[in-house]
Amino acid sequence: QKEVEQNSGPLSVPEGAIASLNCTYSDRGSQSFFWYRQYSGKSPELIMFIYSNGDKEDGRFTAQLNKASQYVSLLIRDSQPSDSATYLCAVNREYGNKLVFGAGTILRVKS
Amino acid sequence: EADIYQTPRYLVIGTGKKITLECSQTMGHDKMYWYQQDPGMELHLIHYSYGVNSTEKGDLSSESTVSRIRTEHFPLTLESARPSHTSQYLCASSENRASEAFFGQGTRLTVV
Repeated sequence: QKEVEQNSGPLSVPEGAIASLNCTYSDRGSQSFFWYRQYSGKSPELIMFIYSNGDKEDGRFTAQLNKASQYVSLLIRDSQPSDSATYLCAVNREYGNKLVFGAGTILRVKS
Repeated sequence: EADIYQTPRYLVIGTGKKITLECSQTMGHDKMYWYQQDPGMELHLIHYSYGVNSTEKGDLSSESTVSRIRTEHFPLTLESARPSHTSQYLCASSENRASEAFFGQGTRLTVV
């Protein structure tokens, strides 16, 4: 079992729709969680981070964390073609003190 | 905007050569990371550092080595490059264990 699991996709949504990206993690002691966006051939860039259970909103993006279920999600409202990218979930696991990435979910927003 | 720099951006080199990939950050971050990523594939952590004179191997075994003599500098060295080392190498840094990591632009290495 991978430490951070994501559905590889691709997830296809029409322009203007809500895209929902999910991530599960295995280290129950993990305390901080991140969503990165990576365009093809580019470096990952941070979209959001979340530390506490519940929702965190930033513009069109909402991160959701449920530590009991070891589940993190990212919602993108009003999806745009420019949102088409690979979305990486990252977890700062307690053991080993390392930032571990999931394999990423490919999102395609069709106009 | 993150201030973390990698050089070179692209490198094509022959088998058996020694290479060093440079990574520098001006943010004073203690934690630094090296990730390896093949096209369309996931990021794999190959080395990390908590601070000066502290380095650890990551989850993916790598023939490369790293050093951390100065806080801002975290170079990666391959003593003898092979075609199997062809990949993109990404350097990142973070302020502490709970904070986000900022990435450099990456070095795309091709060993022929």
